Amino acid sequence: DTGVSQNPRHKITKRGQNVTFRCDPISEHNRLYWYRQTLGQGPEFLTYFQNEAQLEKSRLLSDRFSAERPKGSFSTLEIQRTEQGDSAMYLCASSLWGGTLANYGYTFGSGTRLTVV
Amino acid sequence: KNQVEQSPQSLIILEGKNCTLQCNYTVSPFSNLRWYKQDTGRGPVSLTIMTFSENTKSNGRYTATLDADTKQSSLHITASQLSDSASYICVVSANSGNTPLVFGKGTRLSVIA
Repeated sequence: DTGVSQNPRHKITKRGQNVTFRCDPISEHNRLYWYRQTLGQGPEFLTYFQNEAQLEKSRLLSDRFSAERPKGSFSTLEIQRTEQGDSAMYLCASSLWGGTLANYGYTFGSGTRLTVV
Repeated sequence: KNQVEQSPQSLIILEGKNCTLQCNYTVSPFSNLRWYKQDTGRGPVSLTIMTFSENTKSNGRYTATLDADTKQSSLHITASQLSDSASYICVVSANSGNTPLVFGKGTRLSVIA
């Protein structure tokens, strides 16, 4: 297992375009999280899944943002009609949750750096 | 409100020196506390994780302490190296199935020759 994989690593897009990012978690992990991080700040929670169910969404996740995890494995995060304020690093993380395991093995991917011009 | 506060915001030290980073939290009910190292442009990498009953945890030159009574943690870096230059983020997990981790804003450490 190579850990949490995110693609692409970098994305430059024009304002108003749609973009989609992909995250492949560690295979045995049942939880998958998305975060956004701007320069000099810690990661901000966006949403998370347990298997294929989206259990929580932050108020930061506007209507232009949508995330899916259709088969409980990889996840996609789509941003529609991108704005310059969407420029950030988008981080994915996964963990194993269940029984006595609270966020066991919580691991981050390397992130996707989005620049909206 | 669940919060994690870190200090200092930034720190510059000479190579070979030691340093200590601080983390105060108000997350409740507490499950565990983690320290991550994040290089510029990369995802965070876990250094240590401590549960309620653990007071200290080491990982090489990194030693984390936890005082669950005062809700404080520290990360001590010994004999710093240039490669230690990074952001160090304190993250606290609540003992609740539907609460994600709560992140501090990090301490930016610069180690100079």
